[in-house]
Amino acid sequence: DIQMTQSPSSLSASVGDRVTITCRASQSISSYLNWYQQKPGKAPKVLIYAASSLQSGVPSRFSGSGSGTDFTLTISSLQPEDFATYYCQQSYSTPFTFGLGTKLEIK
Amino acid sequence: QVQLVESGGGLVKPGGSLRLSCAASGFTFSDYYMTWIRQAPGKGLEWVSYTSRSGSTLYYADSVKGRFTISRDNAKNSLYLQMNSLRAEDTAVYYCARVLSSRCFDYWGQGTLVTVSS
Repeated sequence: DIQMTQSPSSLSASVGDRVTITCRASQSISSYLNWYQQKPGKAPKVLIYAASSLQSGVPSRFSGSGSGTDFTLTISSLQPEDFATYYCQQSYSTPFTFGLGTKLEIK
Repeated sequence: QVQLVESGGGLVKPGGSLRLSCAASGFTFSDYYMTWIRQAPGKGLEWVSYTSRSGSTLYYADSVKGRFTISRDNAKNSLYLQMNSLRAEDTAVYYCARVLSSRCFDYWGQGTLVTVSS
C-alpha cells in the first residue's frame, strides 16, 4: 500500500498569512494526488485534484503543486473560513490512501 | 444539483450486519464510479470500497475485504454497502462519494453513523 505522510499535523496561522502543507507519498504516484478540506461535522470537500487542478468553485487562493512523491497545498492569503482540517489522498492505486490530516487553527 | 444521501446507519452488536444505502440524484448515476469512505470518531479518512459504473469491478480495503460488499442499482440510482461480521473498529461515519476520472471524490453525502458496540 502507498503511505501518505502529511506535515505538519497542526498549524496555527493568522488571517492573511500564506500557508503551505506538504504531502509525501511512499512511492511515485505521478500526479494522482488530491486535496480535501473538512470542517467539523461536515463531509470533506475537494479543493485540488490531479495535484494542481483547482476544483470548480474553489477560490483561487488555493493552489497545488508537485508530482512523483512530493506535493504541496498552498493557501496564499488565509481567510476566516479556511480554518479546517486538510487531507491529501493518492488516487494512483487502490487502496486509495489518505494522509492523516493537517489541522489549521487560528493563531 | 448533485445530491448523495446516505441511510441505514445505527447501533449494531459485534458480529452483526448492517446495510447502508446511498441515494443519488442530480446526475447520471450510471456514468460514474462510486465509492465508500469512512471516518472513525475523531480520526482521519479511510477509503473503504469502490465500484465501476456497471458494478462489475469492485475494490476493497484490506480491513473490510471478505466482510463488506459494495453494490449498485443503476435503475434505482442507488449505491449500497452490505457490512457483515462487524467489529468495534468499524465504528465510523460512512460517506458515499462520486468518483471522477482522476479518481478524486468530487461530491460526498452527509454521512451515516455506524456504531458497533455490545
